[in-house]
Amino acid sequence: QSALTQPASVSGSPGQSITISCTGTSSDVGTYNLVSWYQQHPGKAPKVMIYEGSKRPSGVSNRFSGSRSGNTASLTISGLQAEDEADYYCCSYAGSSSYVFGTGTTVTVL
Amino acid sequence: QLQLQESGPGLVKPSETLSLTCIVSGGSINSRSYYWGWIRQPPGKGLEWIGNIYYSGSTYYNPSLKSRVTISLDTSKNQFSLKLTSVTAADTAVYFCARGNGGSYFHDYWGQGTLVTVSP
Repeated sequence: QSALTQPASVSGSPGQSITISCTGTSSDVGTYNLVSWYQQHPGKAPKVMIYEGSKRPSGVSNRFSGSRSGNTASLTISGLQAEDEADYYCCSYAGSSSYVFGTGTTVTVL
Repeated sequence: QLQLQESGPGLVKPSETLSLTCIVSGGSINSRSYYWGWIRQPPGKGLEWIGNIYYSGSTYYNPSLKSRVTISLDTSKNQFSLKLTSVTAADTAVYFCARGNGGSYFHDYWGQGTLVTVSP
């Protein structure tokens, strides 16, 4: 059960769109469309932004969207805002009631 | 509003057992709709899933930690616990407890996290 692969950092200017990738295997992302995405500000607990690949919990901005293609899931943030600057982690169900997190991506708003 | 709060020693000696408790308020842990889990984050590093426990008492652990981990439920106190044996410096991390949404496979409520340092 290896960590899912994410880019270490992604940056963008206010108002732009950015996409964070999350690459797994046929044992996790590729088989289960059960990827969740978490936003984590420094010193804080993670907050779920996307679940089941593309669903947004109540209260999460519609600027956040998720998708999947093959073994790779993606999180897109549109209309980038200063408050979006944070670390983002993907997490996939991996069968047999187990989970695997991604390596994490730091989003910088220029 | 559901709240989770981790509690336990912030310092543990190498080779000893790390023990943490997650106190749940604002909701019952005795629900078929949810599971309860532990996730950790070494300083400056990423999140690592440790394991989950369901209302039935069934447990599931990260294979890399399975031989050292035990998660248990105490429904009478509305809390659940983590024990990690034979700790080393590599187990130094912020430990989060969280509720899992059983139908949708994600963690929807998290505790604030507690730093546990393994040091002599």
